[in-house]
Amino acid sequence: KAGVTQTPRYLIKTRGQQVTLSCSPISGHRSVSWYQQTPGQGLQFLFEYFSETQRNKGNFPGRFSGRQFSNSRSEMNVSTLELGDSALYLCASSFLQSRETQYFGPGTRLLVL
Amino acid sequence: QKEVEQDPGPLSVPEGAIVSLNCTYSNSAFQYFMWYRQYSRKGPELLMYTYSSGNKEDGRFTAQVDKSSKYISLFIRDSQPSDSATYLCATPGTYKYIFGTGTRLKVLA
Repeated sequence: KAGVTQTPRYLIKTRGQQVTLSCSPISGHRSVSWYQQTPGQGLQFLFEYFSETQRNKGNFPGRFSGRQFSNSRSEMNVSTLELGDSALYLCASSFLQSRETQYFGPGTRLLVL
Repeated sequence: QKEVEQDPGPLSVPEGAIVSLNCTYSNSAFQYFMWYRQYSRKGPELLMYTYSSGNKEDGRFTAQVDKSSKYISLFIRDSQPSDSATYLCATPGTYKYIFGTGTRLKVLA
């Protein structure tokens, strides 16, 4: 069974731009969670989607948004990028809900200049 | 106080050593714990999970939970250079996973 895939793997943007990241969960998994990972803060929960609905949200500004499609694929969007948004963005999929065992993708490394 | 605390390391040990990685948690309602391993420039991969108290063994790895002291541990026996990675403890909170910041381990050949 294929694992979680994320595209692109690397991205360089400048301040003020926006970016869209994509995540394809493990086949059959319906819950997708997004995380931001930085050296100082570790893994920070962004949001969780299930059946095309955002189910939970972390403490991030409204510039961070996401959506999920009917095939469970998910996208995350960050608008008006700031230098501090430079991080590894990880998505994780689980079968029904985020409290079950999560399986992570390789991440998208975003650098904001 | 963070809900899950973990010493960031780095921790350097010689090959063959027994490694002990530890986390503490604050909420006694937490019952399910995971350990993830993350190699450089990769996503975390699930290593082990445990429920409630006691030990769970898988090959060279043993996960231990002590609910009375709110302490979780991962032991690695006969450590190898390929074990060099960051190890994260995690627990499903009320609505989201809560991760420790990770301990960076380096096993020297």
